[in-house]
Amino acid sequence: EAQVTQNPRYLITVTGKKLTVTCSQNMNHEYMSWYRQDPGLGLRQIYYSMNVEVTDKGDVPEGYKVSRKEKRNFPLILESPSPNQTSLYFCASSLSIGLRGKTYNEQFFGPGTRLTVL
Amino acid sequence: ILNVEQSPQSLHVQEGDSTNFTCSFPSSNFYALHWYRWETAKSPEALFVMTLNGDEKKKGRISATLNTKEGYSYLYIKGSQPEDSATYLCALNTGTASKLTFGTGTRLQVTL
Repeated sequence: EAQVTQNPRYLITVTGKKLTVTCSQNMNHEYMSWYRQDPGLGLRQIYYSMNVEVTDKGDVPEGYKVSRKEKRNFPLILESPSPNQTSLYFCASSLSIGLRGKTYNEQFFGPGTRLTVL
Repeated sequence: ILNVEQSPQSLHVQEGDSTNFTCSFPSSNFYALHWYRWETAKSPEALFVMTLNGDEKKKGRISATLNTKEGYSYLYIKGSQPEDSATYLCALNTGTASKLTFGTGTRLQVTL
């Protein structure tokens, strides 16, 4: 089954304790992205990746890191989480996106990770 | 940060009503507009991706139009059903076309 998976789905942690949220897709998609969802603010893009070893900042990258060592995986790293990073996080992937001459494709979203930082 | 506006913020209609909502965006540097449907406790699911001015797309009772010159897209739902209850999100690729900026959504509730 074609899907985007995220782990963990729920996490409660404390300020300053490094954590990683994993994201994996089995559709051979080039493009992957992380979003956070906060009430009243909509989905905001944190980081995105056009392909392996190619990543770039979205609108709210502060406090986050990402890596794209393999096409299928795009982990989100919080080196020193703070309470303002409490949010619902979504990973998404698409076949390709954003290059002239290429089709703009729909994104497939993972199930979400609800993170609470105390 | 790019401003993508959706209106209304929320909408309550009765089963069988037809409805529509709006996504407004800056018309400069437009690349693509996406519509997603997001049910409570689930993940957003794609409805349409539109790139050309004047584009119209349809999926069952849901359709969308795009006007890139004036910077808006409409989403229409014909004969609303309770299962259409969801938040409808639009998102824009512009400028740095790889970035995707979402609006805050229109929350639709359909009652019997």
